[in-house]
Amino acid sequence: SQTIHQWPATLVQPVGSPLSLECTVEGTSNPNLYWYRQAAGRGLQLLFYSIGIDQISSEVPQNLSASRPQDRQFILSSKKLLLSDSGFYLCAWTWGTGVPGYTFGSGTRLTVV
Amino acid sequence: GIQVEQSPPDLILQEGANSTLRCNFSDSVNNLQWFHQNPWGQLINLFYIPSGTKQNGRLSATTVATERYSLLYISSSQTTDSGVYFCAVPSGNTGKLIFGQGTTLQVKP
Repeated sequence: SQTIHQWPATLVQPVGSPLSLECTVEGTSNPNLYWYRQAAGRGLQLLFYSIGIDQISSEVPQNLSASRPQDRQFILSSKKLLLSDSGFYLCAWTWGTGVPGYTFGSGTRLTVV
Repeated sequence: GIQVEQSPPDLILQEGANSTLRCNFSDSVNNLQWFHQNPWGQLINLFYIPSGTKQNGRLSATTVATERYSLLYISSSQTTDSGVYFCAVPSGNTGKLIFGQGTTLQVKP
C-alpha cells in the first residue's frame, strides 16, 4: 500500500531563517506531488506541483521554492522566511487527474516569529 | 479560473442530527472530491464522485454535474464528525485541485 510521510510536524522559525520541509511517498512510482498551504484553518492554496522529476510548476509567486531530488521526494524550501509564511503546509500525491486516491500528508504547522 | 463555493460556512449540530453540505462550482468538471479535515489537521479523502451518488456508512454524496453542484449528507452525526469539510475540483490535467473554503461542523454531545 502507499503511504505519504511529511516532517517535521511543527516548526517555529525566526524571520530571515531558512526553511526545508520534506515529503516522501512510499509504495508507488512516478506520483504527482503537490504542496498546499492553509491559512487560518480554512481554504487550501496550491503552491507547487510536480508531475515528474525536474518538472515543477509554481502556482503563486512568493518567497518559497520546491524541488524534487528523487521520484518520490518533494521538498519545500525558503532562503529567508517572512512572517507571512506562517501557516499549515500539506503535501499530497495522486496518480494523476481523473483518478481517485488523492492523499495528503499529516502536515507541518509553521510559525514564523 | 473555476470557482468553488461551499455552504453553510459553519454548522452546529446536536449528536444524532442529520445535515446536508453543499458545494457549487462555476464550470464543468470531470470529477469532484470531498475531504474531511479533523481537528488535528489531517485531511481524509471521503469521496471521489464525478457524478451520481455514493454512500459510505453514515455519509453519502451526490454530484449533479450538469447543474454544477454536489451535496454531502451526514446522517446520525457523531462528535467524531466534527471538523472542516472541503469539496475540491480539478484544474487542468495535472491533478491539482481547487478547494472551496470549507464548512466547519461542530457536533455537540
